[in-house]
Amino acid sequence: GAVVSQHPSWVICKSGTSVKIECRSLDFQATTMFWYRQFPKQSLMLMATSNEGSKATYEQGVEKDKFLINHASLTLSTLTVTSAHPEDSSFYICSARVDREIAPGYGYTFGSGTRLTVV
Amino acid sequence: RKEVEQDPGPFNVPEGATVAFNCTYSNSASQSFFWYRQDCRKEPKLLMSVYSSGNEDGRFTAQLNRASQYISLLIRDSKLSDSATYLCVVNPMDSSYKLIFGSGTRLLVRP
Repeated sequence: GAVVSQHPSWVICKSGTSVKIECRSLDFQATTMFWYRQFPKQSLMLMATSNEGSKATYEQGVEKDKFLINHASLTLSTLTVTSAHPEDSSFYICSARVDREIAPGYGYTFGSGTRLTVV
Repeated sequence: RKEVEQDPGPFNVPEGATVAFNCTYSNSASQSFFWYRQDCRKEPKLLMSVYSSGNEDGRFTAQLNRASQYISLLIRDSKLSDSATYLCVVNPMDSSYKLIFGSGTRLLVRP
């Protein structure tokens, strides 16, 4: 249980275009979704925290107008990289917090990640 | 200072070796601690939570020293399949429930 499905797993796009990444919770309701970015040989850096039905909270240094997050339902959160540039090429991962009362023993579940390459 | 700092690695050890990873965290109010494992180009996976009393799961032992704000992971009898990056993760237990990841320590177990 507590699976987050993330799509696409990889995408190549041209500079200046926008890319949408989806994360769906398959068998639970994800009240809170975290979005991370990981550059090669670096760790996961939290970009933003989104709560269903409200605006996302962005970490310092992350441009909210460039990385649009939508969490309109309890089972779907999306990250859109707008006007992508080569420096946005990275591994993007979502993570949902699983309510322990619903799924004892679980904490956080991660999507499988999206490798974005901007050319 | 980074919120979570780890040994830089990489650690290159033979099969059967015992290896230890260290981690320090800066927020003394942090309450939850974890070790995650990440294989190349994959999402991180929870290896084990870390409790104040220390805990063991098979060949893996985790320790927490709150006074020193220090976390460790010991792997005994290393297997080739243990080769991965090990991430020290802290939940500062603020209202956001976010996880803070260390930069990771890479382990290479050779035959």
